[in-house]
Amino acid sequence: GENVEQHPSTLSVQEGDSAVIKCTYSDSASNYFPWYKQELGKRPQLIIDIRSNVGEKKDQRIAVTLNKTAKHFSLHITETQPEDSAVYFCAASMKGAQKLVFGQGTRLTINP
Amino acid sequence: GAVVSQHPSWVICKSGTSVKIECRSLDFQATTMFWYRQFPKQSLMLMATSNEGSKATYEQGVEKDKFLINHASLTLSTLTVTSAHPEDSSFYICSASRLAGSSYEQYFGPGTRLTVT
Repeated sequence: GENVEQHPSTLSVQEGDSAVIKCTYSDSASNYFPWYKQELGKRPQLIIDIRSNVGEKKDQRIAVTLNKTAKHFSLHITETQPEDSAVYFCAASMKGAQKLVFGQGTRLTINP
Repeated sequence: GAVVSQHPSWVICKSGTSVKIECRSLDFQATTMFWYRQFPKQSLMLMATSNEGSKATYEQGVEKDKFLINHASLTLSTLTVTSAHPEDSSFYICSASRLAGSSYEQYFGPGTRLTVT
């Protein structure tokens, strides 16, 4: 089955700097890659997603890139702010499948 | 759109009793919902897939007789933890699946923190 690896497990950056979180997946049939942000004690929130027919997607300060050949995708956050501090999860699913396989999560801390 | 509610948000119960958790999609119909368990500082662990009108599909290692799932309508799935024990204490989160193009987006409920004493 699908396996998703996420790195790093923790990331600390200065406010205003950029943060990058990377994920790799094992099943080449996967074609949907969402990213979730989870603040302490709260629900995971879908913040951005990408499908395998595009290589990059951007939404204000966040962007996701996908390399299908290498089977990895990354989340980029620019001009980080304290409210970006949270745990971020990547996930993958196959075409037509509803089940998501999640990465292990990255705890991002933005230092003022 | 895509709002999912979950009730209760927290519950404390005594060992040996059963607890029911409800998951509702408020503004869309969801033929499929998912139940996850999350331990502190860990990722989401999928317990089961809840299918409207049919039996749930459980992940390996999850006891179906202990975690009863019912998905009686397109907007409601319930998880009942039967004969709860302290080791069942955890954060339980549901999600509802919505078709977007050729893929399904999942939207999560706010979670239920279960404490078994």
